[in-house]
Amino acid sequence: GNSVTQMEGPVTLSEEAFLTINCTYTATGYPSLFWYVQYPGEGLQLLLKATKADDKGSNKGFEATYRKETTSFHLEKGSVQVSDSAVYFCALSDRTSGAGSYQLTFGKGTKLSVIP
Amino acid sequence: EADIYQTPRYLVIGTGKKITLECSQTMGHDKMYWYQQDPGMELHLIHYSYGVNSTEKGDLSSESTVSRIRTEHFPLTLESARPSHTSQYLCASSSTGETQYFGPGTRLLVL
Repeated sequence: GNSVTQMEGPVTLSEEAFLTINCTYTATGYPSLFWYVQYPGEGLQLLLKATKADDKGSNKGFEATYRKETTSFHLEKGSVQVSDSAVYFCALSDRTSGAGSYQLTFGKGTKLSVIP
Repeated sequence: EADIYQTPRYLVIGTGKKITLECSQTMGHDKMYWYQQDPGMELHLIHYSYGVNSTEKGDLSSESTVSRIRTEHFPLTLESARPSHTSQYLCASSSTGETQYFGPGTRLLVL
């Protein structure tokens, strides 16, 4: 079956530090990969996505590259801000895993706190 | 960007009460989902629907029920609330089944 493993938090960084949140996946087919972000008191928002190997998703200074050889989709940002404090979820969608399968498999989430 | 709404945002209720959590979306998405989010942040899919009159149970067993009579509306009902139902409930919708758009969530506290 499909699964997503992401680094456990919480992660605490100083403002302007470099961020990496590791994510690896297991999938039976050819998944699309996503990073979602959840700010305090809100639902999840799509941050970025990549649909095939070697694609790079980017948004708001965040980047992640779909690495099929290492089954990874690590999230990076060069300089974090206090406003980036949130919970980050890695997810995959594998339509080929079953007819009519339109579901996301989520990692457990990584809480990021950025301090001034 | 999808507009998806959940009401109420917060609910405190006594044990044994019947409650309905509302979820509506205005984008005409045929796929809708309910997730339960525990305090450790992990998301659990409890119900989903791929169209009107279609509902399925998700990965996590739940005592709740859902209905999908209209495309835009996907309410979740607990017939008899218990303290173990205390959680955050997130509704989502999608046209493709890949990118999902989430509502703001309902925080439920059962006393």
